[in-house]
Formats: sequence, C-alpha cells, structure tokens
Amino acid sequence: QLQLQESGPGLVEPSETLSLTCTVSGGSITNSNLYWDWVRQPPGKEMEWLGDVRYSGGAGYNPSLRGRVTISVDTSKNQFFLRLTSVTAADTAVYYCARHQISPYFDYWGQGVLVTVSS
Amino acid sequence: QSVLTQPPSVSAAPGQKVTISCSGGSSNIGSNYVSWYQLLPGTAPKLLIYENYRRPSGIPDRFSGSKSATSATLDITGLQTGDEADYYCGTWDNSLRAHVFGPGTRLTVL
Repeated sequence: QLQLQESGPGLVEPSETLSLTCTVSGGSITNSNLYWDWVRQPPGKEMEWLGDVRYSGGAGYNPSLRGRVTISVDTSKNQFFLRLTSVTAADTAVYYCARHQISPYFDYWGQGVLVTVSS
Repeated sequence: QSVLTQPPSVSAAPGQKVTISCSGGSSNIGSNYVSWYQLLPGTAPKLLIYENYRRPSGIPDRFSGSKSATSATLDITGLQTGDEADYYCGTWDNSLRAHVFGPGTRLTVL
C-alpha cells in the first residue's frame, strides 16, 4: 500500500523559507504517469493546490503563488520537496503531499503537517 | 474565494440520504472531471469519487457521484455516524491553470 509522509519544521519565521519533505513508501516515485503534489489548507479556509512534480523533475505551479514556490524530486530517496519563500502569516496551514495521475484527482495523500509562520 | 461553490453544511439522521452539491463554471466543472474527498481531523484526506462517478476500491456504494453541465453532486445513502466529516469537491480549472477545490461541506449525522 502506497504511503506518503510529510516532514519538516512546524514553525517558520516571517520572511524565511518554508521547506518540507514528502517521503513515498510502498511504491516508486519514478512511474512516468504520476504527478507528485503539494496541497495546503489554512485554518478555517479552503484547500489550495500549490503545484506538482514528475520524476523527471518537470514541475507545474499554481500561478497564484507568484513564483514563491519550488517543488523538486530526489528519485534515489523516493522523496519530493516543497520550498516556499518569503513566508507570511497567511502561509500558516496544514500542508499535505499527495499524488495524482493523468486524470486530475488525488488518489493518495499524506496525513498533513501543520506549519505555523510566526516570530 | 473559491471558483467552486458548496453549501457550508448539511445534516441528516442515521440511515437517511444526503446530497452535497458543487457548482462551478465552464472553465472547471464544465470541461473537466470532478472528484470528491472526505476529510476527518488528523487523518489523510480520502478520495471518495473520481472522474465524476467512479469509486476507488474500498469505497462503499453508499457514496455516489454525478455531474451535469457545470455542477456535480455527491450522494451519501444509509448515513452512519462515522460519515461525519468535511467533504470537498475538486477539479482542474483551465483558466486558472490549477487544480481547484470547493470550500467544503460539513456533514452532521444527527
């Protein structure tokens, strides 16, 4: 059974960079039909898709993030990563990693990690 | 502000049926598949419905989905207390060039 697990700091200071790792177990990240995603949900607000990456390293991003987000992959470790720069309190959220295939639905998700932006 | 609209809450008694709606536009629901997710606090979101009406393995047939034009619905029959959760619709938006989600609907089983 495929499992995804997020990890990273739970507290980030304003203007700093938020960095998270998603470790994939029970399956390979290198399938060419798969996209590996980051989705977040601020407290009391709706979910927001941040972007995705394929095993080749090609990534797509939500234009609303205005170039602050980078998603990368390390196939040797079966991991993919999120970097979000210049964070503010508005970036406080539960961050989920997930997977989707060619069709736009997310079939596997991590449990999520709460990241708080505060000094 | 989401481009998809859902009712904030729905409720029904155990054993009854509830319908959750998801309304969008031509650039999202009108031209792409819809999926539905169940979120319980502290757990990973669960895919309930994909490609408008298909159920993943392990999802009971009490959960069903449909789509018409720019709207989609999730029906849950034979409600159980364990169904109390937040439910989200999702799709791709061609104009925004992003996956989008509805604001979520909280289901209460009375």
